[in-house]
Amino acid sequence: KAGVTQTPRYLIKTRGQQVTLSCSPISGHRSVSWYQQTPGQGLQFLFEYFSETQRNKGNFPGRFSGRQFSNSRSEMNVSTLELGDSALYLCASSLLPSGGYNEQFFGPGTRLTVL
Amino acid sequence: EDKVVQSPLSLVVHEGDTVTLNCSYEVTNFRSLLWYKQEKKAPTFLFMLTSSGIEKKSGRLSSILDKKELFSILNITATQTGDSAVYLCAVLLNNNDMRFGAGTRLTVKP
Repeated sequence: KAGVTQTPRYLIKTRGQQVTLSCSPISGHRSVSWYQQTPGQGLQFLFEYFSETQRNKGNFPGRFSGRQFSNSRSEMNVSTLELGDSALYLCASSLLPSGGYNEQFFGPGTRLTVL
Repeated sequence: EDKVVQSPLSLVVHEGDTVTLNCSYEVTNFRSLLWYKQEKKAPTFLFMLTSSGIEKKSGRLSSILDKKELFSILNITATQTGDSAVYLCAVLLNNNDMRFGAGTRLTVKP
Protein backbone atom coordinates (compact mmCIF):
# COMPACT_ATOMS: atom_id res chain seq x y z
CA LYS A 1 0.00 0.00 0.00
CA ALA A 2 1.49 3.34 -1.02
CA GLY A 3 2.12 5.78 1.81
CA VAL A 4 1.22 9.42 2.10
CA THR A 5 2.79 11.47 -0.65
CA GLN A 6 3.48 15.17 -0.65
CA THR A 7 4.50 17.38 -3.52
CA PRO A 8 6.67 19.19 -4.07
CA ARG A 9 9.34 18.01 -1.66
CA TYR A 10 11.20 21.32 -1.74
CA LEU A 11 10.16 24.85 -2.56
CA ILE A 12 11.88 28.20 -2.54
CA LYS A 13 9.74 31.31 -2.69
CA THR A 14 10.18 34.99 -1.98
CA ARG A 15 8.25 37.16 0.45
CA GLY A 16 4.85 38.18 -0.76
CA GLN A 17 4.39 35.22 -3.07
CA GLN A 18 1.90 32.48 -2.50
CA VAL A 19 2.38 28.73 -2.49
CA THR A 20 0.24 25.62 -2.82
CA LEU A 21 1.28 22.30 -1.34
CA SER A 22 -0.34 18.99 -2.16
CA CYS A 23 -0.95 15.87 -0.12
CA SER A 24 -2.28 12.53 -1.31
CA PRO A 25 -3.39 10.32 1.58
CA ILE A 26 -3.14 6.58 1.81
CA SER A 27 -5.78 4.94 -0.34
CA GLY A 28 -9.02 4.68 1.62
CA HIS A 29 -8.07 7.31 4.18
CA ARG A 30 -10.49 10.20 4.32
CA SER A 31 -8.88 12.39 6.95
CA VAL A 32 -5.95 14.66 6.14
CA SER A 33 -4.25 16.88 8.69
CA TRP A 34 -1.59 19.50 8.06
CA TYR A 35 1.23 20.48 10.42
CA GLN A 36 3.99 23.06 10.37
CA GLN A 37 7.34 22.16 11.89
CA THR A 38 10.00 24.75 12.67
CA PRO A 39 13.05 24.56 14.94
CA GLY A 40 11.70 27.37 17.09
CA GLN A 41 8.05 26.39 17.45
CA GLY A 42 8.24 22.65 17.00
CA LEU A 43 5.34 20.82 15.46
CA GLN A 44 2.12 22.80 15.24
CA PHE A 45 -1.27 21.74 14.00
CA LEU A 46 -2.67 23.72 11.07
CA PHE A 47 -5.98 22.11 10.13
CA GLU A 48 -7.76 18.86 9.46
CA TYR A 49 -10.05 17.89 6.63
CA PHE A 50 -12.44 14.99 6.52
CA SER A 51 -14.76 14.24 3.62
CA GLU A 52 -14.00 17.60 2.02
CA THR A 53 -14.90 19.55 5.16
CA GLN A 54 -12.53 21.38 7.45
CA ARG A 55 -13.11 19.91 10.89
CA ASN A 56 -10.86 22.12 12.90
CA LYS A 57 -8.14 24.70 12.58
CA GLY A 58 -5.09 25.53 14.63
CA ASN A 59 -3.95 28.96 15.66
CA PHE A 60 -2.66 30.27 12.34
CA PRO A 61 -3.56 33.45 10.43
CA GLY A 62 -6.02 33.47 7.57
CA ARG A 63 -3.14 33.43 5.07
CA PHE A 64 -3.07 29.70 5.68
CA SER A 65 -5.92 27.86 4.03
CA GLY A 66 -6.66 24.47 2.66
CA ARG A 67 -9.14 22.29 0.93
CA GLN A 68 -9.86 18.66 0.29
CA PHE A 69 -11.12 17.10 -2.89
CA SER A 70 -13.60 14.29 -3.38
CA ASN A 71 -10.72 11.81 -3.83
CA SER A 72 -9.43 12.88 -0.38
CA ARG A 73 -6.36 14.61 -1.80
CA SER A 74 -5.73 17.86 0.00
CA GLU A 75 -4.02 21.11 -0.81
CA MET A 76 -2.70 23.75 1.51
CA ASN A 77 -2.24 27.32 0.39
CA VAL A 78 -0.21 30.06 2.01
CA SER A 79 -0.63 33.55 0.62
CA THR A 80 1.56 36.62 1.09
CA LEU A 81 4.49 34.55 2.30
CA GLU A 82 6.60 35.80 5.18
CA LEU A 83 10.11 34.77 6.17
CA GLY A 84 8.69 33.07 9.23
CA ASP A 85 6.69 30.70 7.04
CA SER A 86 9.88 28.83 6.22
CA ALA A 87 9.27 25.40 7.65
CA LEU A 88 8.70 21.74 6.99
CA TYR A 89 5.03 21.22 6.22
CA LEU A 90 3.81 17.76 7.07
CA CYS A 91 0.59 16.13 6.11
CA ALA A 92 -0.85 13.10 7.83
CA SER A 93 -3.69 10.83 6.82
CA SER A 94 -5.92 8.55 8.79
CA LEU A 95 -8.91 6.42 8.12
CA LEU A 96 -11.19 8.35 10.43
CA PRO A 97 -11.10 11.88 11.82
CA SER A 98 -8.62 12.57 14.59
CA GLY A 99 -11.26 12.01 17.22
CA GLY A 100 -11.76 8.48 16.00
CA TYR A 101 -8.78 7.12 17.93
CA ASN A 102 -6.98 5.90 14.89
CA GLU A 103 -3.39 6.05 13.80
CA GLN A 104 -2.07 8.86 11.67
CA PHE A 105 0.47 8.25 8.93
CA PHE A 106 2.73 11.12 8.01
CA GLY A 107 4.06 12.05 4.60
CA PRO A 108 7.70 13.00 3.99
CA GLY A 109 6.91 16.71 4.14
CA THR A 110 7.48 19.72 1.93
CA ARG A 111 10.39 21.91 2.90
CA LEU A 112 9.45 25.51 2.16
CA THR A 113 12.09 28.23 2.22
CA VAL A 114 10.99 31.84 1.99
CA LEU A 115 13.70 34.30 0.96
CA GLU B 1 -3.19 28.51 27.50
CA ASP B 2 -2.86 24.83 26.64
CA LYS B 3 0.66 23.52 26.93
CA VAL B 4 2.56 20.27 26.67
CA VAL B 5 5.98 20.00 28.29
CA GLN B 6 8.44 17.22 27.63
CA SER B 7 11.51 16.38 29.63
CA PRO B 8 14.34 15.97 29.34
CA LEU B 9 14.92 17.96 26.16
CA SER B 10 17.80 15.71 25.27
CA LEU B 11 19.28 12.50 26.55
CA VAL B 12 22.37 10.49 25.70
CA VAL B 13 22.56 6.84 26.73
CA HIS B 14 24.43 3.69 25.76
CA GLU B 15 23.01 0.65 24.09
CA GLY B 16 21.25 -1.60 26.53
CA ASP B 17 20.23 1.21 28.87
CA THR B 18 16.60 1.82 29.81
CA VAL B 19 15.20 5.31 29.34
CA THR B 20 12.09 7.07 30.57
CA LEU B 21 10.76 10.08 28.74
CA ASN B 22 8.26 12.39 30.36
CA CYS B 23 5.36 14.40 29.07
CA SER B 24 3.23 16.64 31.25
CA TYR B 25 0.31 18.70 30.08
CA GLU B 26 -2.01 21.46 31.11
CA VAL B 27 -4.90 21.63 28.70
CA THR B 28 -8.59 22.17 28.74
CA ASN B 29 -10.79 19.50 27.25
CA PHE B 30 -8.27 16.66 27.11
CA ARG B 31 -9.22 13.81 24.81
CA SER B 32 -6.10 11.67 24.39
CA LEU B 33 -2.31 11.74 24.43
CA LEU B 34 -0.14 10.51 21.61
CA TRP B 35 3.53 9.60 21.30
CA TYR B 36 5.47 9.84 18.04
CA LYS B 37 9.02 8.98 17.00
CA GLN B 38 10.65 11.36 14.53
CA GLU B 39 13.93 10.28 12.99
CA LYS B 40 14.57 12.34 9.92
CA LYS B 41 11.45 13.78 8.46
CA ALA B 42 7.99 12.55 9.25
CA PRO B 43 6.91 11.42 12.72
CA THR B 44 5.75 7.85 13.09
CA PHE B 45 2.97 7.02 15.45
CA LEU B 46 3.81 5.01 18.56
CA PHE B 47 0.92 5.06 21.01
CA MET B 48 -2.39 6.71 21.73
CA LEU B 49 -3.48 6.80 25.38
CA THR B 50 -6.91 7.77 26.57
CA SER B 51 -7.37 6.04 29.90
CA SER B 52 -5.33 6.33 33.06
CA GLY B 53 -3.28 3.45 34.31
CA ILE B 54 -3.50 1.21 31.28
CA GLU B 55 -0.06 0.45 29.93
CA LYS B 56 0.36 0.21 26.20
CA LYS B 57 3.22 -1.94 24.99
CA SER B 58 4.95 -2.50 21.70
CA GLY B 59 8.11 -4.55 21.85
CA ARG B 60 10.66 -2.70 23.96
CA LEU B 61 8.50 0.42 24.14
CA SER B 62 5.73 1.02 26.62
CA SER B 63 3.72 4.00 27.74
CA ILE B 64 1.25 4.90 30.43
CA LEU B 65 -0.96 7.86 31.20
CA ASP B 66 -1.88 9.43 34.53
CA LYS B 67 -4.87 11.70 34.01
CA LYS B 68 -4.97 12.73 37.62
CA GLU B 69 -1.41 14.02 37.70
CA LEU B 70 -1.57 15.05 34.02
CA PHE B 71 1.45 13.28 32.66
CA SER B 72 2.58 10.34 30.60
CA ILE B 73 5.82 8.42 30.38
CA LEU B 74 7.38 6.55 27.52
CA ASN B 75 9.77 3.75 28.47
CA ILE B 76 12.30 2.16 26.17
CA THR B 77 14.14 -0.86 27.50
CA ALA B 78 17.35 -2.37 26.15
CA THR B 79 17.90 0.67 23.91
CA GLN B 80 19.50 0.25 20.50
CA THR B 81 21.19 2.79 18.24
CA GLY B 82 18.10 2.65 16.03
CA ASP B 83 16.09 4.16 18.86
CA SER B 84 17.97 7.44 18.36
CA ALA B 85 15.33 9.97 17.40
CA VAL B 86 13.22 12.83 18.65
CA TYR B 87 10.25 11.56 20.62
CA LEU B 88 7.22 13.82 20.43
CA CYS B 89 4.29 13.92 22.77
CA ALA B 90 1.01 15.46 21.63
CA VAL B 91 -2.32 16.05 23.30
CA LEU B 92 -5.51 15.80 21.29
CA LEU B 93 -8.24 18.09 22.56
CA ASN B 94 -11.96 17.64 22.42
CA ASN B 95 -12.19 20.22 19.64
CA ASN B 96 -9.79 18.00 17.67
CA ASP B 97 -6.96 20.49 17.93
CA MET B 98 -3.55 19.04 18.82
CA ARG B 99 -0.81 20.49 20.97
CA PHE B 100 2.72 19.13 20.64
CA GLY B 101 5.55 19.18 23.09
CA ALA B 102 9.02 20.31 22.02
CA GLY B 103 10.23 16.74 21.92
CA THR B 104 13.00 14.80 23.62
CA ARG B 105 16.08 14.12 21.50
CA LEU B 106 17.38 10.67 22.40
CA THR B 107 20.84 9.60 21.30
CA VAL B 108 21.83 5.99 21.86
CA LYS B 109 25.57 5.37 21.60
CA PRO B 110 26.99 1.96 20.70
